[in-house]
Amino acid sequence: NAGVTQTPKFQVLKTGQSMTLQCAQDMNHNSMYWYRQDPGMGLRLIYYSASEGTTDKGEVPNGYNVSRLNKREFSLRLESAAPSQTSVYFCASSEPVTSVPEETQYFGPGTRLLVL
Amino acid sequence: AQSVTQLGSHVSVSEGALVLLRCNYSSSVPPYLFWYVQYPNQGLQLLLKYTTGATLVKGINGFEAEFKKSETSFHLTKPSAHMSDAAEYFCAVSPRGYQKVTFGTGTKLQVIP
Repeated sequence: NAGVTQTPKFQVLKTGQSMTLQCAQDMNHNSMYWYRQDPGMGLRLIYYSASEGTTDKGEVPNGYNVSRLNKREFSLRLESAAPSQTSVYFCASSEPVTSVPEETQYFGPGTRLLVL
Repeated sequence: AQSVTQLGSHVSVSEGALVLLRCNYSSSVPPYLFWYVQYPNQGLQLLLKYTTGATLVKGINGFEAEFKKSETSFHLTKPSAHMSDAAEYFCAVSPRGYQKVTFGTGTKLQVIP
């Protein structure tokens, strides 16, 4: 049981290049999330997917696209990377149980992205 | 609208001393409140959460937090700091569940031997 996994761990891009960040979870969770973490700003939600086949914008979606490929996988794509997208990206998942207060969210280890 | 303010971006305590990390929130609806811990180069781990019911919430690793509605606070405490507690701690608020969570800017805890 690996939990939430992310690939790659680290990536360097040039401005204008594209790339896809991969995320997978093996906990059979319905909900998945993408966050970015910047120094002094905490985490900000980019996109989330409440269930397979659905995605919704979070707080900072501009410049990103997502795909919920199946229940396990949720990818984040940067079509034309910009230096402002230099950040650490975290994927997370959660599963609403019979009682919402019991729901717990699990995070992956993160992807460090540097855009030059 | 909702927001979180964490007082003190860096806090230092001696090993064995009380840990107190402060968090104040604003929310237009009854909030869900969370504390997360992040160790270097790792993802976040949920320490504890308040949703409804008892206002004193106990979490993992000996941490606890008290929801005080009148003070709009959710401070994190631990009676005796351990070296392994050195990490960054994030307070967060949401109206319900995890889809609209707003995080604070974090407090780095240093534990001095």
